[in-house]
Amino acid sequence: EVQLVQSGAEVKKPGESLKISCKGSGYSFDSYWIGWVRQTPGKGLEWMGIIYPGDSETRYSPSFQGQVTISVDKSTRIAYLRWSSLKASDTATYYCARIEASGTYQGDFWGQGTLVTVSS
Amino acid sequence: SYVLTQPPSVSVAPGQTARITCGGNNIGTKSVHWYQQRPGQAPVLVVYDNNDRPSGIPERFSGSNSGNTATLTISRVEAGDEADYYCQVWDSSSDQGVFGGGTKLTVL
Repeated sequence: EVQLVQSGAEVKKPGESLKISCKGSGYSFDSYWIGWVRQTPGKGLEWMGIIYPGDSETRYSPSFQGQVTISVDKSTRIAYLRWSSLKASDTATYYCARIEASGTYQGDFWGQGTLVTVSS
Repeated sequence: SYVLTQPPSVSVAPGQTARITCGGNNIGTKSVHWYQQRPGQAPVLVVYDNNDRPSGIPERFSGSNSGNTATLTISRVEAGDEADYYCQVWDSSSDQGVFGGGTKLTVL
C-alpha cells in the first residue's frame, strides 16, 4: 500500500527555522517525484516544487524559489521542506504528494498534511 | 506563467450531472488532472491524463479536454461528492505544476 506520512503540526515564531518531513512507503521511492503543495487557510492549492529522489533533481515554482528548500534522503525514504526564517504569511497546511514521473506530473498519492502556524 | 481558470462554485441537485470547467490557453494540448478535496482532508486524484480514473474512483467521474477548456463531469451526483475540485497541469515552459483556483461543488 502506497503511503506518505507527514510530520506533525508546528507552531513557530517569525524568524525561526523549520523543517517538516514526508516519509514514503509501499512503492519504489526512487522512481517518482515528491512534490510539496501549500494551502493557506480557506484558499486553494499552490504548487511549490518537486524533487526526484533518484538523483535529487529539484524544480521550484518561481513563487517559492529562494523562500524554501526541498531536499530528500533516499536512504530513509524521507523528503523535507525547510524554511530558514519563517514569516507569518507562511502559515498554511503543507501537503506532500507522490508525483508521476512519466511526464504528466499528477499527484496520485498525498500525505495527510502538516499545519504550520507562524505567530508571535 | 500558465493560468488555469475555474468557476468559484457550481451547484447541482442529487442525481443530476455536474460539469466543472477549467480554462487555459490551448489547454487541449496538455494533460489535465482533477482533484477532489473534502473539508479538512487532503486532495484525492479523481481523473488524470484528461479522462483516466485511478483505481477506486467511481465511473461517475469523467473528464474531457479540447481547445481552451477541460471539463470534469460528475454523473448521478451524490451528497458525498460535495467538495472543492481543482484542475492541474504541468507547464513545460516554466517547468512547474499549476493548479486552477478551485471550484466548490454544492449538492442542493
